[in-house]
Amino acid sequence: GQNIDQPTEMTATEGAIVQINCTYQTSGFNGLFWYQQHAGEAPTFLSYNVLDGLEEKGRFSSFLSRSKGYSYLLLKELQMKDSASYLCAVRVSGGSYIPTFGRGTSLIVHP
Amino acid sequence: GAVVSQHPSWVICKSGTSVKIECRSLDFQATTMFWYRQFPKQSLMLMATSNEGSKATYEQGVEKDKFLINHASLTLSTLTVTSAHPEDSSFYICSASDSAINEQFFGPGTRLTVL
Repeated sequence: GQNIDQPTEMTATEGAIVQINCTYQTSGFNGLFWYQQHAGEAPTFLSYNVLDGLEEKGRFSSFLSRSKGYSYLLLKELQMKDSASYLCAVRVSGGSYIPTFGRGTSLIVHP
Repeated sequence: GAVVSQHPSWVICKSGTSVKIECRSLDFQATTMFWYRQFPKQSLMLMATSNEGSKATYEQGVEKDKFLINHASLTLSTLTVTSAHPEDSSFYICSASDSAINEQFFGPGTRLTVL
């Protein structure tokens, strides 16, 4: 089976930097996704990592360490609109290509 | 990114009735479509995977006779919740993927409330 762990909730200040961690335990690994989901809306794709290292895309960056079963999503220059749930999803190799989602981290950005 | 639509966006129905939710890929051919259910403050739980023209593959614990899935074309999949009960009230989200599979495109979701 798969086990994906994320903090339930985080708070941060507008303009600051926040790091959302995700740890996973899987039998095989074939990619990790980060999605953003605003309340009552569907998730939107943020990033996909399959190799170790940092992927930067504007204010958002995602890091992966396969040996540690660890990823983080880094959000810079936080804006109020970044208040949302951030979902980590892991895809395993050798089986279904469908990723399994973690419970998500609810990020609250305050002024 | 590609656009996926869902209809209706919300629905309220009486217990015992059936509800059909449509999922459409608007600008690409969706080889595979997925149906998820999400309860408040919970993660997305995959219900089933459907490939165009074939029977859906249901996840363990999901009743295929209760949640009927049809994927008749490369742009449309439907989920019918039959004999709905209050415990079926949830947020239902579909997603679509082309043959690349590296990215799923999610629909906006359908909020189902069963009274």
